[in-house]
Amino acid sequence: GESVGLHLPTLSVQEGDNSIINCAYSNSASDYFIWYKQESGKGPQFIIDIRSNMDKRQGQRVTVLLNKTVKHLSLQIAATQPGDSAVYFCAEIPYNNNDMRFGAGTRLTVKP
Amino acid sequence: DTGVSQDPRHKITKRGQNVTFRCDPISEHNRLYWYRQTLGQGPEFLTYFQNEAQLEKSRLLSDRFSAERPKGSFSTLEIQRTEQGDSAMYLCASSLGLAGTYEQYFGPGTRLTVT
Repeated sequence: GESVGLHLPTLSVQEGDNSIINCAYSNSASDYFIWYKQESGKGPQFIIDIRSNMDKRQGQRVTVLLNKTVKHLSLQIAATQPGDSAVYFCAEIPYNNNDMRFGAGTRLTVKP
Repeated sequence: DTGVSQDPRHKITKRGQNVTFRCDPISEHNRLYWYRQTLGQGPEFLTYFQNEAQLEKSRLLSDRFSAERPKGSFSTLEIQRTEQGDSAMYLCASSLGLAGTYEQYFGPGTRLTVT
């Protein structure tokens, strides 16, 4: 069936390096994508979103890239900090729908 | 702190007991969502409300589960005759509900352990 998934379950980077977290989706009807960060014992926290009519969106230290041709979404974190250590989820919402689907998540560990 | 609160934060119960969780969304948010999250997985959609109306329910929401939002503000999620497979984190989220806005703000969750 159609689903949101992730390429890697874990990612370890050195403090100060850039991080790239990937996500694959298969629902071509998805209209809206969100990246969430979840720290241990907390609910998911919104990081950045992108609509399907965009290829790139930048926030503070984060950039989301959307490649609709290959149905791929990525989150780039610049100058990764220890506070960025968490599980990152991508989520998709089909057009005119409220059913947000999450992938399994990637655990990012930042080494000092 | 997103402004969404959930109570209790942790609940341990014996199999067969009923449990009820509460969610207080951000006050001006019209939409309220419930999700379930198991270890290592992303949240799974259970149901959502537009004001007091329950508009969508996932097939994951068995007949032992019931959710209410009687006055369009706080919501409760009740699980009857709990089973060990119900052990999970139950997350609540809220959103403005305006056309074209999808951002959901999550609460800290209620962790349920069924023994």
